Amino acid sequence: QKEVEQDPGPLSVPEGAIVSLNCTYSNSAFQYFMWYRQYSRKGPELLMYTYSSGNKEDGRFTAQVDKSSKYISLFIRDSQPSDSATYLCAMSKDFGNEKLTFGTGTRLTIIP
Amino acid sequence: EPEVTQTPSHQVTQMGQEVILRCVPISNHLYFYWYRQILGQKVEFLVSFYNNEISEKSEIFDDQFSVERPDGSNFTLKIRSTKLEDSAMYFCASGQAGAPPSQYFGPGTRLLVL
Repeated sequence: QKEVEQDPGPLSVPEGAIVSLNCTYSNSAFQYFMWYRQYSRKGPELLMYTYSSGNKEDGRFTAQVDKSSKYISLFIRDSQPSDSATYLCAMSKDFGNEKLTFGTGTRLTIIP
Repeated sequence: EPEVTQTPSHQVTQMGQEVILRCVPISNHLYFYWYRQILGQKVEFLVSFYNNEISEKSEIFDDQFSVERPDGSNFTLKIRSTKLEDSAMYFCASGQAGAPPSQYFGPGTRLLVL
């Protein structure tokens, strides 16, 4: 079983829709959960991070973590064509600056 | 806004040649990383570096790889004898001390080994 699993998509939704992106993981030692956005042939850009279970909101983005189910989600409200990118979930076990374990990424297209 | 920079953006090399990939991390960051992404695959951790020494390395980071912080600003990844399977996008990242694990990535160097 892979440590982090993410549906690669592609996922296409109309502009203005709510987007739901998800990852599951197998290692219960993961404590910190991040979402990165990656445009084609660019480096990952940090969107949000959360610690342990719970929700975190930042503008149109909401990150959810359910450690009991080993399941994390990113919701994008009022999606815009500029949100079209690959979204990567990433996780680490400790505070500080431990290595990140990434999912494969979900390719998202917002259709105008 | 401060950012991680990497040079070159693209590098083409012959199998068996040495390559050095360069990175300038964000200036007040103390933790440095290299990751790679083979085309169509996930981003994979290679090595982390703190206080002038390797903190952790993956199975990928074998004896052909080395890292160095030759001065106060640059952070380099050297591949001594490149193989075809080293072709990938290589990302440098940096992170702050005492902060949650949020790493900031550079734009990457696309390495093609022929």
